[in-house]
Amino acid sequence: QVQLQESGPGLVKPSETLSLTCTVSGGPISGYYWVWIRQPPGKGLEWIGYIYDNGSTDFNTSLSSRVTISEDRSKNQFSLRLSSVTAADTAVYFCARVTSRWYFDSWGQGTLVTVSS
Amino acid sequence: EIVMTQSPATLSVSPGDRATLSCRASQSVTGNLAWYQQKPGQAPRLLIYDTSTRATGVPVRFSGSGSGTEFTLTISSLQSEDFAVYYCQQYHNWPPWTFGQGTKVEI
Repeated sequence: QVQLQESGPGLVKPSETLSLTCTVSGGPISGYYWVWIRQPPGKGLEWIGYIYDNGSTDFNTSLSSRVTISEDRSKNQFSLRLSSVTAADTAVYFCARVTSRWYFDSWGQGTLVTVSS
Repeated sequence: EIVMTQSPATLSVSPGDRATLSCRASQSVTGNLAWYQQKPGQAPRLLIYDTSTRATGVPVRFSGSGSGTEFTLTISSLQSEDFAVYYCQQYHNWPPWTFGQGTKVEI
């Protein structure tokens, strides 16, 4: 069974770049879509973006100017970078796998990122 | 973008009750609808996909129905471990994948 684990700093200063990595175990990252989702405290789920097998990506239009997603197949990881963060980017960030039917079947436990000086 | 709307925002029920949660899409998603359960401090867990198919290990008391723009998640007899927030998600037209705002099932 595939498992996902997010990692990265829990505190980021305003205007800086948030960087998170999702490590996948129990299966290869190749052949799947992988997504980042976030959840502000006490609020709902927001899809951030995806990366697919050949490195193709797409992002939520509300974030697209600030988001980069990349992969490292040698480490079976994919990463999120969100630039110019503000307090509004404070959230729990999840990574997840997309099935061949396009829903999300496996999720990381999530990591809280707080934007504060 | 397809907007998903869930109702009610909060559902107050007792153990053993039947719970009915609703999800409406702003346009047809055919049957491409999933439900997730989220407990405090945890990641969402896939419960139902393709409107009515239970994910592996999901108890039979959870059932999904609907089509097009109107969907329902029913929990036939609430157990203590079922008190959580439930989200619907459409995957008919992506990106973006979109979620409802959630229904909290509380005691």
